[in-house]
Amino acid sequence: QVQLVQSGAEVKKPGSSVKVSCKASGGTFSSYAISWVRQAPGQGLEWMGGIIPIFGTANYAQKFQGRVTITADESTSTAYMELSSLRSEDTAVYYCASPTPQDPRTGMVEPFDYWGQGTLVTVSS
Amino acid sequence: QSALTQPASVSGSPGQSITISCTGTSSDVGGYNYVSWYQQHPGKAPKLMIYEVSNRPSGVPDRFSGSKSGNTASLTISGLQAEDEADYYCSSYTSSSTKVFGGGTKLTVL
Repeated sequence: QVQLVQSGAEVKKPGSSVKVSCKASGGTFSSYAISWVRQAPGQGLEWMGGIIPIFGTANYAQKFQGRVTITADESTSTAYMELSSLRSEDTAVYYCASPTPQDPRTGMVEPFDYWGQGTLVTVSS
Repeated sequence: QSALTQPASVSGSPGQSITISCTGTSSDVGGYNYVSWYQQHPGKAPKLMIYEVSNRPSGVPDRFSGSKSGNTASLTISGLQAEDEADYYCSSYTSSSTKVFGGGTKLTVL
């Protein structure tokens, strides 16, 4: 049974950084492909980027290039999303999401079968 | 990468059918059969309803169906039920090896 469990809510100042974690259980972590999706209050879903842990490199949406870093730690089966230079518009619920862990070579094209519970990040002075 | 285009809202009465469109480009929707649809109820995480244009995951009612023509994908819900009232999002793989979502469609069951 795949589960993605995220870290708790954060309140950050403008200009600072936030790092959200996503611990995966069920399946082999090296078979996962974990993406980060955010949703601002009352707004739609926005794909930020994703990583296939066994390959180690991440892909990012152009909008977030240079400001977001996605990493994975195979020893703890945990993925991380760090967003820097925070501004008020970054206030959102941040989700990690993954397809059913199987062939990592197709991980980035597969749909999101599993979602974390979401982490609310509030950016406020 | 611009968001895929969806209507902001659609509505229908119980028992009726509705269709939600999702328009992209040849670099995303039109170029790949990796279009998915997600249902999201308020305060909840999204739920996968359709993958690879027209496939339903186990447990999703067959009232939900998907299709694609050119750069536009569609989600059809037949026999509308009250519990179908939710936000719906399409998503596609892109030529940049990224993913993109649509802006979302609010379905109201009258």
